Amino acid sequence: NAGVTQTPKFQVLKTGQSMTLQCAQDMNHNSMYWYRQDPGMGLRLIYYSASEGTTDKGEVPNGYNVSRLNKREFSLRLESAAPSQTSVYFCASRMGGARNEQFFGPGTRLTVL
Amino acid sequence: TQLLEQSPQFLSIQEGENLTVYCNSSSVFSSLQWYRQEPGEGPVLLVTVVTGGEVKKLKRLTFQFGDARKDSSLHITAAQPGDTGLYLCAGSVDSSYKLIFGSGTRLLVRP
Repeated sequence: NAGVTQTPKFQVLKTGQSMTLQCAQDMNHNSMYWYRQDPGMGLRLIYYSASEGTTDKGEVPNGYNVSRLNKREFSLRLESAAPSQTSVYFCASRMGGARNEQFFGPGTRLTVL
Repeated sequence: TQLLEQSPQFLSIQEGENLTVYCNSSSVFSSLQWYRQEPGEGPVLLVTVVTGGEVKKLKRLTFQFGDARKDSSLHITAAQPGDTGLYLCAGSVDSSYKLIFGSGTRLLVRP
């Protein structure tokens, strides 16, 4: 039982390049999330998927797209990376119910030059 | 915009000391979580509180949810170096799928 896994762990891109961050969970959770974490700003929600087949924008969606491939997998795509997207990206999944407890992956550290 | 303000932002204390971290908002939360994050890792859930006035204990950590469900505190008794990390509070409004995170309190416990 691996929980939430993310690939890659580290990535360096040049401005304008594209890439996809992968996330998978094996806890049979319905909801999945993508956050970015910047120094002094906590975690900010980029996109989320309340259930398979649905996706919605969070607080900072500009420059990103997502795909809920199936119940297990939720990917985040940067079509044309910008230096402002340098950050640590976390995927999370939610067990459901009113308590809204989320379980996080280990993160992807992305640098855009 | 719903905000969760955490204080203090940084805390450096000696092993054995006590400390309290605060999480405040003008919004009413249906539930509130505390997470701890270590360098290079994702946040790990410590506790969830849902009832106004609720107090939960996890070994040397005591969590309290305010009566009006707008604020919370985390108290650590006799801190140890293993408590070092970033502590994040997060709340959800109206059972929303979304969590609002505070900016975090970075704790360093010196041996």
